[in-house]
Amino acid sequence: AQSVTQPDIHITVSEGASLELRCNYSYGATPYLFWYVQSPGQGLQLLLKYFSGDTLVQGIKGFEAEFKRSQSSFNLRKPSVHWSDAAEYFCAVGGILTGGGNKLTFGTGTQLKVEL
Amino acid sequence: DADVTQTPRNRITKTGKRIMLECSQTKGHDRMYWYRQDPGLGLRLIYYSFDVKDINKGEISDGYSVSRQAQAKFSLSLESAIPNQTALYFCATSRGGPQYFGPGTRLTVL
Repeated sequence: AQSVTQPDIHITVSEGASLELRCNYSYGATPYLFWYVQSPGQGLQLLLKYFSGDTLVQGIKGFEAEFKRSQSSFNLRKPSVHWSDAAEYFCAVGGILTGGGNKLTFGTGTQLKVEL
Repeated sequence: DADVTQTPRNRITKTGKRIMLECSQTKGHDRMYWYRQDPGLGLRLIYYSFDVKDINKGEISDGYSVSRQAQAKFSLSLESAIPNQTALYFCATSRGGPQYFGPGTRLTVL
């Protein structure tokens, strides 16, 4: 069965500092991987996705993520965090075993706090 | 206008009541989903539909039912609401790749 682990429930960073949010997945084939962000009172917004090809993918709002097959990881990074990045971040996995992106499994989320 | 809309946005109901949550989309996607979100548990799939004639149970379908009235409309019903169905409910759509989410419905069952 597919699964996603986000080991950090809460992370606090200072504004301007770099950020890395961890995501590890379990999937029996080449995964499709996604990062979503949820601001308070909002729905989930897609930050970026990986289907194939270049393992470093760029997303919106200056975020990037790197797919590392050997480590079953898809960590999210940002070089300089802004106060408006404070939100909850979700990693998700799907793939050909589950009809492509038809069925996604989400991690439990990482809550990011930004200190001014 | 939002591509995926959910009504109502907030609802308070009592145990035993029937309640329907509605989702509409203008993205032209054929696939629609219902999730619930609970603190610390992430999102869990309740039901999904790949077209009007295709309905599938997700991992936590007990106590819920759905109706796909049209390609653009997907409703979630709680036939007899119970307090542990208090949660944030999200509708999502896709074409088979990323899923796109509505703003959510916050449901409280007293």
